[in-house]
Amino acid sequence: GAVVSQHPSRVICKSGTSVKIECRSLDFQATTMFWYRQFPKQSLMLMATSNEGSKATYEQGVEKDKFLINHASLTLSTLTVTSAHPEDSSFYICSAPRTGATEAFFGQGTRLTVV
Amino acid sequence: AQSVAQPEDQVNVAEGNPLTVKCTYSVSGNPYLFWYVQYPNRGLQFLLKYITGDNLVKGSYGFEAEFNKSQTSFHLKKPSALVSDSALYFCAVRDAFQKLVFGTGTRLLVSP
Repeated sequence: GAVVSQHPSRVICKSGTSVKIECRSLDFQATTMFWYRQFPKQSLMLMATSNEGSKATYEQGVEKDKFLINHASLTLSTLTVTSAHPEDSSFYICSAPRTGATEAFFGQGTRLTVV
Repeated sequence: AQSVAQPEDQVNVAEGNPLTVKCTYSVSGNPYLFWYVQYPNRGLQFLLKYITGDNLVKGSYGFEAEFNKSQTSFHLKKPSALVSDSALYFCAVRDAFQKLVFGTGTRLLVSP
């Protein structure tokens, strides 16, 4: 079964509003989680590394104020897309490495559509 | 910097035939290599990995991959393709900070 749960799977919002996406590790603690963005027919682009108890580390070119990341507990990281615009429409995926496992586990993804 | 390349945007194969999805890598040090599969509007599912050991790695759903150090390749293979294998396949390499760097993806289309 899924070890990383992402919610919601699909969301439609109006321009100018904010949307929060949750990523939970279900049966393990994750001090680090990763947020990716995937454009249609393209690969995954790492946006940021979410660190429990400290600030997220953003990749070059990713707006920190636009994509707010909070890693409030060892099992939950959230990505908030603030003041969303149509160009923010995309597929967002989180992942978490589990201690003792070399492979990362991914959430189901969130399809965000901004209208 | 770590990187992987998937030279084919799409691979077409008939059901029952063997399939190969290509991946080459560029890393400093020993590579941690992975294959993931993605179905439409879904997250990524882990297929297999190479960390060390045998060059032929067996994974989920009958897939396997061959690690070739001299050719810096990690091609995904399956002896007999199924229509249900049609999906998007990503090769990835992990860096020292556990970040994954993905290839551009290869769409596999298996025809009945």
